[in-house]
Formats: sequence, structure tokens, C-alpha cells
Amino acid sequence: GENVEQHPSTLSVQEGDSAVIKCTYSDSASNYFPWYKQELGKRPQLIIDIRSNVGEKKDQRIAVTLNKTAKHFSLHITETQPEDSAVYFCAAKAASSYKLIFGSGTRLLVRP
Amino acid sequence: DADVTQTPRNRITKTGKRIMLECSQTKGHDRMYWYRQDPGLGLRLIYYSFDVKDINKGEISDGYSVSRQAQAKFSLSLESAIPNQTALYFCATRGPAGVDEQFFGPGTRLTVL
Repeated sequence: GENVEQHPSTLSVQEGDSAVIKCTYSDSASNYFPWYKQELGKRPQLIIDIRSNVGEKKDQRIAVTLNKTAKHFSLHITETQPEDSAVYFCAAKAASSYKLIFGSGTRLLVRP
Repeated sequence: DADVTQTPRNRITKTGKRIMLECSQTKGHDRMYWYRQDPGLGLRLIYYSFDVKDINKGEISDGYSVSRQAQAKFSLSLESAIPNQTALYFCATRGPAGVDEQFFGPGTRLTVL
């Protein structure tokens, strides 16, 4: 069935360094790939998304890249700050589906 | 996002009890979802609904039921709660076709003793 694998499960970086989180999806029909950020005790919130017709999208310090051939996509956070500390979830959705399939999450810790 | 609300926010109950979690939204969205979050497992879909007459099982629907009372309300019930249903439960909504972003409620932390 549909599956999204996410790595690493935990990531610790020094403030100012970059962080990269990677996801692999199984359904080749997937065409929408969002990333959600969940701060401690809060709800998941969309931070960036990408569709299969583009290879990269940026929004200030965050960017997402997509490799359709390899069926993987990545979140890149540059110049990390302590407020970037949170759990990040990737997800994938096929055009014919109404469901998001989520990865298992990455806990990012940015050390001051 | 105050447009999606959940009640209760926290609940402790005992094995065998019936529990209902409620979700309301003012976003005017037709599509609503119930997810369960467990550490290390991400968000797993329990049920989803496209409108009041259309309800669909997700990947982990066993032991749960739902009711879509109106466009704005989607309730999740545990008919006979068991300890492994202890989890954080999120309701979410999604806009019309072509808009894929899902908006989550604040979550309900459920503990089954």
C-alpha cells in the first residue's frame, strides 16, 4: 500500500547550521508533498509544500526539493534558530486520492 | 487556527467506557478528517468525510466510529475504549477540490486506563 518513510527520526544541530530531513514515497501517482511543523503541545501546521511539476521551492530559510524519479523529497532549513526546534512531518498525496500519507516525523533540536 | 476546534482537550477514561470526541469548524470546508498520533508513528488516518452523506474508513478504523452531524461537525467515538487507544487525536479540514492543505484542530489527548 501507500507508504512514506522519513529519516532521520531525530536530528540535533547547532544554531546557524543547516538541517535536512528526507522522505521517500511509494506511490508513483503522488503529486502533492507538504511539510508540517508541530511545536511541542501544538497542532501540526503547514510550512511549505511542493507539487510534482516543480523540482524545488523556497520560502525564506526553508526549501523543499523533489526527485520524482527516485521518489524522494527533502526539507532543507538553513541558518537554523532555536525556534525551529519542533517535530516535522512530510506527507504525500496522489491526485486521485483525498488522503495524505504522513511520514513518522523528525524531531529537530536546534542547540543555542 | 481557531477555525478548527476540538472538545475535550484532555480526557482520562477507563477501559470499556464509551467516549466521544468532537470537532467543529468555521472554515466552511466539506472535507474533514480524524487522525491519531502516536510517538514514532506519525499521523494515521482513522476516518474521513467529504460531506454529511459520505464517510470513509482510513487505515486504522477498527474500534472507532464517526458521525458527521453537519458540514461543520465531525465526531469520533470509541464504543468501548481500550488502553492501546491512548493517543493524541487530531481533527483536520480541507478546502475544495484543487486545494490540498489540511488545517488541524488543537488535538485531544486521550488516556485510557
